[in-house]
Amino acid sequence: NAGVTQTPKFQVLKTGQSMTLQCAQDMNHNSMYWYRQDPGMGLRLIYYSASEGTTDKGEVPNGYNVSRLNKREFSLRLESAAPSQTSVYFCASSLRAAGNTGELFFGEGSRLTVL
Amino acid sequence: QQQVKQSPQSLIVQKGGISIINCAYENTAFDYFPWYQQFPGKGPALLIAIRPDVSEKKEGRFTISFNKSAKQFSLHIMDSQPGDSATYFCAASTTGTALIFGKGTTLSVSS
Repeated sequence: NAGVTQTPKFQVLKTGQSMTLQCAQDMNHNSMYWYRQDPGMGLRLIYYSASEGTTDKGEVPNGYNVSRLNKREFSLRLESAAPSQTSVYFCASSLRAAGNTGELFFGEGSRLTVL
Repeated sequence: QQQVKQSPQSLIVQKGGISIINCAYENTAFDYFPWYQQFPGKGPALLIAIRPDVSEKKEGRFTISFNKSAKQFSLHIMDSQPGDSATYFCAASTTGTALIFGKGTTLSVSS
């Protein structure tokens, strides 16, 4: 099983460019999440989707949009990238809905640099 | 507002020693407290978790101690090994919310 797959693994953007981070899980999980990890800041929730067809804002949603394309896929879009969005982005999934204490399974991360 | 405060930020322990990482929370509605372990270049992975109806949970060399009245919980790693060198995150959640993570502790176990 691949688990949670993120693409791309690395990306360099110029300020103002747009891009989409893709995430897919093959575990038939209901909930999916996007976190960003910055040095000294831990993991901060950007958006999550408790189930197919629903999305909710997390702690740091500004500058991002998400799409729960189907049960397997959850994409994160940066419409106009800013240097403050330089980070490592992690997608995660869980069998049970957000808040129901399901174990999170993380992808290996997408390292984004915005110049 | 930081809902889960983790300390220390970094920790150096000798091989065979005990590593202790602490977390404090403010939201009394939290009812699930996991610890995640992250190796360089990898995503975090669940290490051990506890609910507030127990004061301690042990899995091998890893133990969570939970103090509900103080709103604190901690991770103890007994007989620490170089392979335990990683970043550790505490987290908390309640029904209807996604996991909120602490800022992480980088553990280095020297041989």
